[in-house]
Amino acid sequence: NAGVTQTPKFRILKIGQSMTLQCTQDMNHNYMYWYRQDPGMGLKLIYYSVGAGITDKGEVPNGYNVSRSTTEDFPLRLELAAPSQTSVYFCASSSQFERTDTQYFGPGTRLTVL
Amino acid sequence: KNEVEQSPQNLTAQEGEFITINCSYSVGISALHWLQQHPGGGIVSLFMLSSGKKKHGRLIATINIQEKHSSLHITASHPRDSAVYICAVSSYNTDKLIFGTGTRLQVFP
Repeated sequence: NAGVTQTPKFRILKIGQSMTLQCTQDMNHNYMYWYRQDPGMGLKLIYYSVGAGITDKGEVPNGYNVSRSTTEDFPLRLELAAPSQTSVYFCASSSQFERTDTQYFGPGTRLTVL
Repeated sequence: KNEVEQSPQNLTAQEGEFITINCSYSVGISALHWLQQHPGGGIVSLFMLSSGKKKHGRLIATINIQEKHSSLHITASHPRDSAVYICAVSSYNTDKLIFGTGTRLQVFP
C-alpha cells in the first residue's frame, strides 16, 4: 500500500492564481482531512470528509474548497491564492473519526504564494 | 493561552540519554495522540491513548487524565530520534484534534 499520497510536493503561486492540491489514499479509509501547518504553529484543520459525497468545514476553511467524489480522493482547491495561504499542507486519513483512531498523513505540499 | 501546551519547545541531548517531553491540555478529551514529524516533513502517528501507559520499542507514552498531562519518554536516545514531536488531543466539545506546536528534539552522537 502506498498509504496517503499528495501532489505536488512544492509549488509557487502568484497572488490570485488558483490550484488544486491532490490527495489520494489506498487504505479504504472513510475519513479524510486537510491540515495546514504554519511556522511555529500547530496543525490547523481546514476541511474534512466522513465519506464520499460528504465534506465539512474545519477550523480555517476560508479561501479553500474541497470535494469528495470517491473514497480514495480528497482534493483541496485554492481559488484566489493569497500570501496568507503560504504554508505546508498535509492530507490525512483514518478509518474512524479522528478522535477514535490513528491518522495517517501524507508527505505534505509546501506552497508559497508571492 | 493554547489549549495544548508542550514543553520544552526545543531539546538537545547526547546519544543514550533519557528524554522526556511534556504535554498539558485544558479541555476535556477522549484521546491524546503523539506524532513524530521527521526533518523531511513527514508526520507519523506514534501513540493514541486515553488512559495509563503505552510502550513501543524505546518510546513510552503516559497520560494522567486527572492532571490533564501526558509525557513522551525516549529511552537510550539515538540521533535518528531527532524530529519534532507533536501532541494532539481529541476534544469532547469540538470532536476535532487540537494540536500543540511541537517539541524539536536534536540528539547528537
